Amino acid sequence: NAGVTQTPKFRILKIGQSMTLQCTQDMNHNYMYWYRQDPGMGLKLIYYSVGAGITDKGEVPNGYNVSRSTTEDFPLRLELAAPSQTSVYFCASSYTGTDSGANVLTFGAGSRLTVL
Amino acid sequence: GQNIDQPTEMTATEGAIVQINCTYQTSGFNGLFWYQQHAGEAPTFLSYNVLDGLEEKGRFSSFLSRSKGYSYLLLKELQMKDSASYLCAVPNTDKLIFGTGTRLQVFP
Repeated sequence: NAGVTQTPKFRILKIGQSMTLQCTQDMNHNYMYWYRQDPGMGLKLIYYSVGAGITDKGEVPNGYNVSRSTTEDFPLRLELAAPSQTSVYFCASSYTGTDSGANVLTFGAGSRLTVL
Repeated sequence: GQNIDQPTEMTATEGAIVQINCTYQTSGFNGLFWYQQHAGEAPTFLSYNVLDGLEEKGRFSSFLSRSKGYSYLLLKELQMKDSASYLCAVPNTDKLIFGTGTRLQVFP
């Protein structure tokens, strides 16, 4: 099992460019999440999905879009990159929702994005 | 909504004991998680508490008081490799909401 795989690991974008961060998991997890982490800060939830075809906003969704066409994949799209989106992005997955205590998030290694 | 508070930074000496506190306010309680995150790496799960009391797991223990909205992570026999950020998190429906994390530096 590869777990949660994110690509790319690093990317530099110019203001106004668009890009997609890829996330795939091979654990047959229903739930997937995108977080961002600014330097020295905690994780902020951008979007999440409880299953294929279903997505919902988190704490900081503005400037991002997601889709969930398959159980395995949950790409994050930045349409018009802004310097405020410079951050480290983590994708995570879990078998059930986080209300179940036995359920733990598995994180990808992260994608470091810089917008100049 | 949720409000989660943790100290920003702590320092401790190798071999010592350190307690990292977390206070939270949540509209519905479904347990509290602790994650560890080394610099430049992804968070990894440490512990989960849903009932009051202390849960021990080797050198690490986690405590919860639901009535006080309070938890702590206790790290014993500190090692240099314990230098990391420790994130407190509470579930909200299908989401996990994180605190800002406590950066722990362990010195020789």
